Amino acid sequence: SQQGEEDPQALSIQEGENATMNCSYKTSINNLQWYRQNSGRGLVHLILIRSNEREKHSGRLRVTLDTSKKSSSLLITASRAADTASYFCATDAGGNNRLAFGKGNQVVVIP
Amino acid sequence: DGGITQSPKYLFRKEGQNVTLSCEQNLNHDAMYWYRQDPGQGLRLIYYSQIVNDFQKGDIAEGYSVSREKKESFPLTVTSAQKNPTAFYLCASTRMGGNQPQHFGDGTRLSIL
Repeated sequence: SQQGEEDPQALSIQEGENATMNCSYKTSINNLQWYRQNSGRGLVHLILIRSNEREKHSGRLRVTLDTSKKSSSLLITASRAADTASYFCATDAGGNNRLAFGKGNQVVVIP
Repeated sequence: DGGITQSPKYLFRKEGQNVTLSCEQNLNHDAMYWYRQDPGQGLRLIYYSQIVNDFQKGDIAEGYSVSREKKESFPLTVTSAQKNPTAFYLCASTRMGGNQPQHFGDGTRLSIL
């Protein structure tokens, strides 16, 4: 079942700006994951944040998780043209690595 | 390099025909998954397998079948019962145990002739 819902759906920014995407979900989760998908390619895992974590960083990526609001955000700092992609959040509710994906955020970074 | 290989990259199906999509991984992962992606949509789970010779239906299994005879391989058959098969199909794998990321292949795009 689909659970993650990203907001906004499409984002267009200038190179060097920050991009923020949000994801909401409905049930309790074991972890939440963010993935990137370039056009016509498979998904690439970016960050996994566990339900007992509030913030996680990886390079220019920052993910927050608010379990009380059932929401997460992905921040890409100092964006580059190569960051142009679709970004998906996915939740693992059962702790068995079965994921429910959102519909994705399309991000376009203009050089 | 370890990874997941999906083939073919493009596939065409005639009416009434079954087609099989290949997914092979050399990551020594126990679990494998098949997803369907439609334009503007997220991924929907078709089938998954956590161990050889065992698999479970996902959210949209009707019209599809799978097998898991080897750890490395998880082929998906799109049967003639699937009336709207045009989509992008993605295979993924992961280690067992909690909090594991999924690793994806580069997909197969299936179209109707």
